[in-house]
Formats: sequence, C-alpha cells, structure tokens
Amino acid sequence: GQQLNQSPQSMFIQEGEDVSMNCTSSSIFNTWLWYKQDPGEGPVLLIALYKAGELTSNGRLTAQFGITRKDSFLNISASIPSDVGIYFCAANYGQNFVFGPGTRLSVLP
Amino acid sequence: KAGVTQTPRYLIKTRGQQVTLSCSPISGHRSVSWYQQTPGQGLQFLFEYFSETQRNKGNFPGRFSGRQFSNSRSEMNVSTLELGDSALYLCASSLAQGTYEQYFGPGTRLTVT
Repeated sequence: GQQLNQSPQSMFIQEGEDVSMNCTSSSIFNTWLWYKQDPGEGPVLLIALYKAGELTSNGRLTAQFGITRKDSFLNISASIPSDVGIYFCAANYGQNFVFGPGTRLSVLP
Repeated sequence: KAGVTQTPRYLIKTRGQQVTLSCSPISGHRSVSWYQQTPGQGLQFLFEYFSETQRNKGNFPGRFSGRQFSNSRSEMNVSTLELGDSALYLCASSLAQGTYEQYFGPGTRLTVT
C-alpha cells in the first residue's frame, strides 16, 4: 500500500538554527500537507501543497511539493523553542490520506 | 470560530466493553474523518463521513463503526474492545468531502485494560 517515509526520525538543534526535513514515497500523490503535533494535542495544519513544484511559505516555514510528486520537504528558519514537536507529512491518494511516521524536533536553548 | 471538539478527552475501559467517542466539527464543516494514532502504527485513517454517509473507510475491522448526524457531529463506536485498541483517537473536520485541509481536534485518549 501507500507509504510515506520521513527523515530524519528525530533531530536536536540549537535555537536560531534552520531546520530541514523531508518526506518521500515510491508512489505519486496529488496533495502534500505538513502538520505539527504538540504533546497531548491533535495535529495542526501548517502548509498544504497542491501542485508539483509548488513552493509555499507560512511565516518561518517553507514547504515544497517535489517535481516527481513523490516527495516534499519542509524548512523552518531561525528556530525558536515553541517549534518543538512532531512534524508529520501527509499525502492523499484517492480521497484518503496517508501520514508519515513523523520527525521529532527538539530545540535546545 | 471554535475548533474541533472531542469528548471525552480521556477514557479507561476494560476488554470486551464497547465505547462511543464524540466529535463536533468546526461550524460550517460538513466532512468528519476519524484517525487512530499509536506509537507503533502512527496515524491511521479509520473512516470519513459526509452528509451523514460514510464515504471512505480505512483498513480496520468491523468492530470500528461510526455515524454522522444532520448537524455534522459524528460519533465513533468500538465494540468488543481489545488491548490493542488503546490509542489516541483523532477527529478531523473539513469543509467538504475530499477537501484535504483537515483540522484536527485534541483527541480522545482511550486506554483498554
């Protein structure tokens, strides 16, 4: 079935550093989304991408829909402590979603 | 605008019991999807409801069922609970079926003992 792979699984960075994470698959998708989940809460939608090659920003976050439609990346610039959490990519096939396993981000002061 | 609400937030049940979880979507949103989140399997799609009809279903046994009411509120039921059903159950709402921008509630943490 459809499967998404996220890397890295976890990362520790210093406050102020830039962060890059990606999501890959062997399957083609029509939509890519990025979510952030804080402990004890549901995921929060960060960015949605609908076209191959699309580059979209939301504040310090930038995400791109890969040209091959099999991948996407998320960049966070100038990280701050509240960026801590788990970042999930999700992609649609048909009318269902599949989620990646997540990248756990820790920000050291 | 109020977000997605889920009740209860926490629940403890014993094996063999059944449980019903509730979800109220964002006002104006007509599609509600349910997900199960566990450390081992991650986020897995259960089903989607739109206009009181189940539109899509994930790969879960028939013990998992749901329904949607005319006001778009949705309930999820799990019968004959098993230990492996312990998970965070998340509800997400969106404007319409097949709209990919979903907004999640805080989840219901179900523990089966």
